[in-house]
Amino acid sequence: QKEVEQNSGPLSVPEGAIASLNCTYSDRGSQSFFWYRQYSGKSPELIMSIYSNGDKEDGRFTAQLNKASQYVSLLIRDSQPSDSATYLCAVNQYNFGNEKLTFGTGTRLTIIP
Amino acid sequence: DAGITQSPRHKVTETGTPVTLRCHQTENHRYMYWYRQDPGHGLRLIHYSYGVKDTDKGEVSDGYSVSRSKTEDFLLTLESATSSQTSVYFCAISAPGTSGSWEQFFGPGTRLTVL
Repeated sequence: QKEVEQNSGPLSVPEGAIASLNCTYSDRGSQSFFWYRQYSGKSPELIMSIYSNGDKEDGRFTAQLNKASQYVSLLIRDSQPSDSATYLCAVNQYNFGNEKLTFGTGTRLTIIP
Repeated sequence: DAGITQSPRHKVTETGTPVTLRCHQTENHRYMYWYRQDPGHGLRLIHYSYGVKDTDKGEVSDGYSVSRSKTEDFLLTLESATSSQTSVYFCAISAPGTSGSWEQFFGPGTRLTVL
């Protein structure tokens, strides 16, 4: 069974610091990787996608992928209170439209002012 | 928001009653999905659709059925609701992202309580 593992947290980070969220996956054939942010009572919002080894940066967010270690991470620089949310890691074996994502259970992040 | 709406947004029902949740999208997306989200389990795929009248099962499909008679509507039916189906239900669509790869986007969700 394909699995995606995340530390459930809560992870507490001071405002302005770097928050580091980690995710491991079991299916070595996985091709695409996503990070979603979910505020309490809201739906998941896609914030980062990554498909090849290395780093991908978008504003204060950096996704890192290491397929050999089956590991994907999300770094949030200059953390703000508005970053307090649950972050979901999702993994997909394919990337041609009809993908079926496998989600981790999420890491709850709290930014302390 | 990918033009996705879900109805109803909240529903309370009793065990044994049928329930239908609706997902409506306005952007002609081919692929649509139903997930449920429960504490400790994350998001789990119930059913998905790859076109009108084309549907298939996900990992937690027992007790659920779906229909898609129009591109814009994907219906999830609980034939006889049970308390274990109390959950938050999300609809999603798949669309090309900015890099050309496919990404999933979620609707606002339906909170269902089965008493």
